[in-house]
Amino acid sequence: ETGVTQTPRHLVMGMTNKKSLKCEQHLGHNAMYWYKQSAKKPLELMFVYSLEERVENNSVPSRFSPECPNSSHLFLHLHTLQPEDSALYLCASSQGQLPSETQYFGPGTRLLVL
Amino acid sequence: GQNIDQPTEMTATEGAIVQINCTYQTSGFNGLFWYQQHAGEAPTFLSYNVLDGLEEKGRFSSFLSRSKGYSYLLLKELQMKDSASYLCAVNQNQGGKLIFGQGTELSVKP
Repeated sequence: ETGVTQTPRHLVMGMTNKKSLKCEQHLGHNAMYWYKQSAKKPLELMFVYSLEERVENNSVPSRFSPECPNSSHLFLHLHTLQPEDSALYLCASSQGQLPSETQYFGPGTRLLVL
Repeated sequence: GQNIDQPTEMTATEGAIVQINCTYQTSGFNGLFWYQQHAGEAPTFLSYNVLDGLEEKGRFSSFLSRSKGYSYLLLKELQMKDSASYLCAVNQNQGGKLIFGQGTELSVKP
């Protein structure tokens, strides 16, 4: 257990559905991240939040919409996704944003878009 | 552009030593991380190097040469539970933005 939880662990959705992924960290951290991990590809950073402000949006399509209501919770709202969006979505948190700070990852949500 | 290279797969024998290499070309450098990821689980932190040299932590050691854009992770006295994917990641700016390699899938055989 890393102190970062994600729900649901698995999700199957159609291209017209709307769903949300939830991440919660119990570490008292101030920064939270969304990553996408596709098969045989590197982890890709999607969004970074620091003190509930979005500080990074890595050219992610608008069908992915993040929300950070407080420093412990992070959501990723999904709508009109494409089959190529099927992947493992990982949430992470860190104490701050110094380069040396370790990011702690959740177990991920395995998403399948049909 | 940004590029981080690692071997895709490696196989080693229980009790042996294995070295996983990572080379990088990034627009900036503020440290290099190694993470371990077992199948279906979260990546977990192994090491962080920002200065040249070797950092030893139990059975795992990590080396960095900034002039060569090169790092390696050394695993000694391999155990079956070390079978996992090993991810190399570079922090290229002042913030928390990490650029990851594709990971090295290590299989430890009896």
